[in-house]
Amino acid sequence: GAVVSQHPSWVICKSGTSVKIECRSLDFQATTMFWYRQFPKQSLMLMATSNEGSKATYEQGVEKDKFLINHASLTLSTLTVTSAHPEDSSFYICSARDNPGTEFGIAKNIQYFGAGTRLSVL
Amino acid sequence: DQQVKQNSPSLSVQEGRISILNCDYTNSMFDYFLWYKKYPAEGPTFLISISSIKDKNEDGRFTVFLNKSAKHLSLHIVPSQPGDSAVYFCAASRKNTGFQKLVFGTGTRLLVSP
Repeated sequence: GAVVSQHPSWVICKSGTSVKIECRSLDFQATTMFWYRQFPKQSLMLMATSNEGSKATYEQGVEKDKFLINHASLTLSTLTVTSAHPEDSSFYICSARDNPGTEFGIAKNIQYFGAGTRLSVL
Repeated sequence: DQQVKQNSPSLSVQEGRISILNCDYTNSMFDYFLWYKKYPAEGPTFLISISSIKDKNEDGRFTVFLNKSAKHLSLHIVPSQPGDSAVYFCAASRKNTGFQKLVFGTGTRLLVSP
């Protein structure tokens, strides 16, 4: 259980074009999904939190007009990189939060990750 | 400000021996901690977690220890296998953050040699 599918796994695009990345929770409903970016040899940096039926919450320094997030259903969130430039080339990973309840009153906050998307902008 | 730190960028262990990966955090508001394993060009895979109410959680070969007073947690893998070779991230979740964001450490690359 708790499988998250991310598509595409690799995309190459020309500078100035837009790219859409999909993230699906396959066997559970996810009211909250997260989008991360990972630079080489660095940790995962949270870009935004995606909530079903409402606007995404962006982390400081992330351009909301550049990285459009849509969470139209309980199993699908999309990230669109608009007018991509070479500096947007990176590894993008989504995650979805399952809700396995609480443990002694503390939320068991487990996120399950997709396989990631390697974006290369030429 | 790196709230979750993994000070060892790499660790080499022989097959069959114990691997100990360490993680320190600075924010006392963190109440849930997780370990993830990541292969190159793949998303992280959840391994094991622990809530702040406990000091130990075990799942097969994996055991996580939490020392709240020292703000330190560790992951023990016994016995280590070559297939365990990957980058390991610890992550922490804070109380009262609405959407329950995870804060990740910088990762430790584990190499288990036959």
